[in-house]
Amino acid sequence: EPEVTQTPSHQVTQMGQEVILRCVPISNHLYFYWYRQILGQKVEFLVSFYNNEISEKSEIFDDQFSVERPDGSNFTLKIRSTKLEDSAMYFCARPRTSGISNEQFFGPGTRLTVL
Amino acid sequence: QKEVEQNSGPLSVPEGAIASLNCTYSDRGSQSFFWYRQYSGKSPELIMFIYSNGDKEDGRFTAQLNKASQYVSLLIRDSQPSDSATYLCAVNAGGSYIPTFGRGTSLIVHP
Repeated sequence: EPEVTQTPSHQVTQMGQEVILRCVPISNHLYFYWYRQILGQKVEFLVSFYNNEISEKSEIFDDQFSVERPDGSNFTLKIRSTKLEDSAMYFCARPRTSGISNEQFFGPGTRLTVL
Repeated sequence: QKEVEQNSGPLSVPEGAIASLNCTYSDRGSQSFFWYRQYSGKSPELIMFIYSNGDKEDGRFTAQLNKASQYVSLLIRDSQPSDSATYLCAVNAGGSYIPTFGRGTSLIVHP
């Protein structure tokens, strides 16, 4: 099955700047997830997004983060005022089916480097 | 706090051998169990999922689940050098679609 795509593949930013990470899903998928993985650490859930609303979020997903589907197709994860510790791989993921599903497929990820 | 524990390894096996990867979890109400393979610098790739006690086989992979003992394992038969990767165990609590991941076990298959 086709997976999701993510852009950019690598983003370098200065501390304090805002970044927007993008995910392009399969068109008929309504659920979407964002995860992050700090180098050498666990994959951590950030937020799930269903039909243009946040469905569930973790304690990591604080006011610094936001998610949108600005144009009805792409999903975006915005990180405001980035910190050094935001440096990580950020993955979006979709369920196996167009509805909700336990099985998730990950996009290729965006490597965020905060200097 | 839901925990998923894995030995970080590395687990080193010769080509053609069986690799055995183990995972324990703390939440007794967990219902869904997954194994992802992650090559260095790449995203996790779902390779197995299991929901019921017992074994589930798919090609060279077998997932084993024992809910009473709260562990899930992955066996890789006829290991190949291309199987060298980090294997992530992930567990969903009952009623949740959000997995908790372990830190992964690094597997090295040497020729």
